[in-house]
Amino acid sequence: QSVLTQPPSVSAAPGQKVTISCSGSSSNIGNNYVSWYQQLPGTAPKLLIYDNNKRPSGIPDRFSGSKSGTSATLGITGLQTGDEADYYCGTWDSSLSAGGLNWVFGGGTKLTVL
Amino acid sequence: EVQLVESGGGLVNPGGSLRLSCAASGFTFSNAWMSWVRQAPGKGLEWVGRIKSKTDGGTTDYAAPVKDRFTVSRDDSKTTLYLRMNSLKNEDTAVYYCTTYAYGSHYFWGQGTLVTVSS
Repeated sequence: QSVLTQPPSVSAAPGQKVTISCSGSSSNIGNNYVSWYQQLPGTAPKLLIYDNNKRPSGIPDRFSGSKSGTSATLGITGLQTGDEADYYCGTWDSSLSAGGLNWVFGGGTKLTVL
Repeated sequence: EVQLVESGGGLVNPGGSLRLSCAASGFTFSNAWMSWVRQAPGKGLEWVGRIKSKTDGGTTDYAAPVKDRFTVSRDDSKTTLYLRMNSLKNEDTAVYYCTTYAYGSHYFWGQGTLVTVSS
């Protein structure tokens, strides 16, 4: 059970828009930057979004990120079949119960493009 | 082009030890903070630990499940990151990825190396 909560799955048709939520608390999302990762089947994860809403070089502007309070959202517009993947949010968590500063990932969301 | 190439994975008995390596190129390794992230079969991502650059103190941080069993180290002269794993348990079975830690994120990832802990 991750401290960051993501929906297990989302789906949408090609060309449509989808959003993936990542819910946390003041010990993680509320006081730290959020990043998002895409893991295509059988491959290593890849950074999609950092600092809540910035895209690394080479990431198309179809991908966007936002943060409000203790939640973050990944948006993908103009869905393509090649976007089918698992998506993870991540950030630092400083809760005492975790024993100090730890990086945490959300449980992951499987995107299906119908 | 940034390249991170992990090696050293394999089959090990419970209670055994293993050392993973991550050969880095395409960036100034000595200035980089580096991390290890793992993924158990069919499961999500789990952070293992990180090491800061020597100029930033070279200190390490670990996730609770591996603290006191795993050690992250670096050899800047060889541009290589290491993960020493002792007292391995079945639940340490995973693909282990090394990453560069930059801009508050795991910026670049290697292709991973599989560690299987089983008797």
